[in-house]
Amino acid sequence: AQTVTQSQPEMSVQEAETVTLSCTYDTSESDYYLFWYKQPPSRQMILVIRQEAYKQQNATENRFSVNFQKAAKSFSLKISDSQLGDAAMYFCAYSPNNNDMRFGAGTRLTVKP
Amino acid sequence: DTGVSQNPRHKITKRGQNVTFRCDPISEHNRLYWYRQTLGQGPEFLTYFQNEAQLEKSRLLSDRFSAERPKGSFSTLEIQRTEQGDSAMYLCASRTSGTGFYGYTFGSGTRLTVV
Repeated sequence: AQTVTQSQPEMSVQEAETVTLSCTYDTSESDYYLFWYKQPPSRQMILVIRQEAYKQQNATENRFSVNFQKAAKSFSLKISDSQLGDAAMYFCAYSPNNNDMRFGAGTRLTVKP
Repeated sequence: DTGVSQNPRHKITKRGQNVTFRCDPISEHNRLYWYRQTLGQGPEFLTYFQNEAQLEKSRLLSDRFSAERPKGSFSTLEIQRTEQGDSAMYLCASRTSGTGFYGYTFGSGTRLTVV
């Protein structure tokens, strides 16, 4: 079975600090895509960052970066200099076929002022 | 183009009634997806279209569910004889096909409550 596991239902971070959200996935594929999506209370999912499995270099988007460990099937998201607007549900997603995506159960991130 | 639009935003219906949701994707996106999200869970894939063709359906999509995308533009998702277990957020997403996969653009969803 191909599944995505987010082991942290909730995380909390102080404003301006750094937080890391964990994600592991199960796959027998060698080429695939990984994503982190943010879902604020308004409920619209927003793409945060993507990673192509054949690229060893970790993706970075401004304050957001990933630690992609292919052998360990791990794909964690690091948020630096956390801001109040980062508070949301964060979903890790995996796509084995360049088409449909499978999502984890999510991590609720709280940012404390 | 203001993104993916879903209507209605909220729907309350009595058990056994039929409901229909609409999704208007980004105009240049040829692929359209439907997902279901229950409270505390991530979205689960239901079905997707490339242009007007429905190419894949999840086992989650029972016979009571039907989706269409006439003319490859907007899509509708109909649930017949609704059950309380159908209560969820129904998300629509779209993208272009082709080289590379840059994720979907999601709509804000339709929240269905079956009473």
